[in-house]
Order: sequence, then C-alpha cells, then structure tokens
Amino acid sequence: GQQVMQIPQYQHVQEGEDFTTYCNSSTTLSNIQWYKQRPGGHPVFLIQLVKSGEVKKQKRLTFQFGEAKKNSSLHITATQTTDVGTYFCAGQEYGNKLVFGAGTILRVKS
Amino acid sequence: GAVVSQHPSWVICKSGTSVKIECRSLDFQATTMFWYRQFPKQSLMLMATSNEGSKATYEQGVEKDKFLINHASLTLSTLTVTSAHPEDSSFYICSAKSGGLSSYNSPLHFGNGTRLTVT
Repeated sequence: GQQVMQIPQYQHVQEGEDFTTYCNSSTTLSNIQWYKQRPGGHPVFLIQLVKSGEVKKQKRLTFQFGEAKKNSSLHITATQTTDVGTYFCAGQEYGNKLVFGAGTILRVKS
Repeated sequence: GAVVSQHPSWVICKSGTSVKIECRSLDFQATTMFWYRQFPKQSLMLMATSNEGSKATYEQGVEKDKFLINHASLTLSTLTVTSAHPEDSSFYICSAKSGGLSSYNSPLHFGNGTRLTVT
C-alpha cells in the first residue's frame, strides 16, 4: 500500500537558523498537504500542493511539490520560537485516503 | 473557517468501562468524518472512516466491535471505546472535510482531540 516517509524525525535548531523537512511517497500523489501540531494540540492545516513542481510561500515558510508528484518539502527561514511543533506531511493518491508521514518534531532554542 | 468540535478533551476511566467521544462539525455539514489515533510523538493512524447514514469503514487491524462508530447526522459522529483496557489509552482525534460531495481532496479540519487514560 501507499507509504509516506518523512525525515528527519527530530530537529533542534538555534533561533534564526533555517529548517527543512522532507516527505517522500512510494506512489504518485494527486495532492500533498502539510499540517502543524503544537505540543499538546491538534493538527492544523497549513497548505495543499496540487500541481507538479508547485512552490508556495507563507511568510517564512516555503512549500515545494516535486515534478514527479512523489516528494515534497517544507522549508522555514530564520526559525522563531513560535515555530516549535510537529510538522506532518500527508499525501493523497487519486481517489484514495490521506496518508500521514511520521512527522518532524522541531525544537527551537532561543 | 470550518470548525470541528470534539468532546470530551480528556477522560479517565476504569478498565472494563466504555467511553463515548463526540465529534461535531459546527459550521458545515460533513458526510464523512475520520477517526485517528495518535501515540506520544508518533504520527496519526487512521482508525476508521465514518459515513453519515451508513456503516463505518475500518482500517486493517482495527476492531470494529471494540471501537464503535456512529454517524447519525451530517454534523455528528461518535466513537465509543467499549470495554476499555489500559492499552487503549491514547490520543483520539476526529477530523472532517468541508467541501461536500467534491471534497475528496480537500484538507482536513481536526477536532481538539480526546486524551483517554484507562486505569
């Protein structure tokens, strides 16, 4: 079945440093979604990527969808303490359910 | 935006008892809701897909007699953990899509989750 792999599992950065998490699907996706879960909270939708090679930006966050629609990345520029949490990618095959990656836990040291 | 309300936020129960968790879509109708389980520092594992007016679809390995799902209306789905045991202790989260019939690739809106502790 479809698998979504996400790395790294954990990253601890100094405030102001950049951060990137990568997501790779075993199958071609119709879309990929990114969610953020703060400690003790529930996942919150960040963005959805649909087109091959798509790049979207939200302030300091940059999301990319690979040309083959099998991989994606989330890059945060100049991290802040408010960025802490777990970032999940979730991939969806055409007509199928959403499959979540394992998540990347981000800790920011001030 | 679309809001999903989940209740209770946390519950402690004794082994052998049953616990009901409610998931409501407050400002939209959800023909389909999803129930996830999350262990500490782990990903979300889909347990079942709840369909309004019909039987839920359970993922492989999830006991349907253990985790009873009822989706009686377009705004309410319930998950009942029957005869709970300590190994059922976990974080249970529901979610729904707000796009109606064309929502198959719409993003998920999550409830706040329910932390279940079985003693």
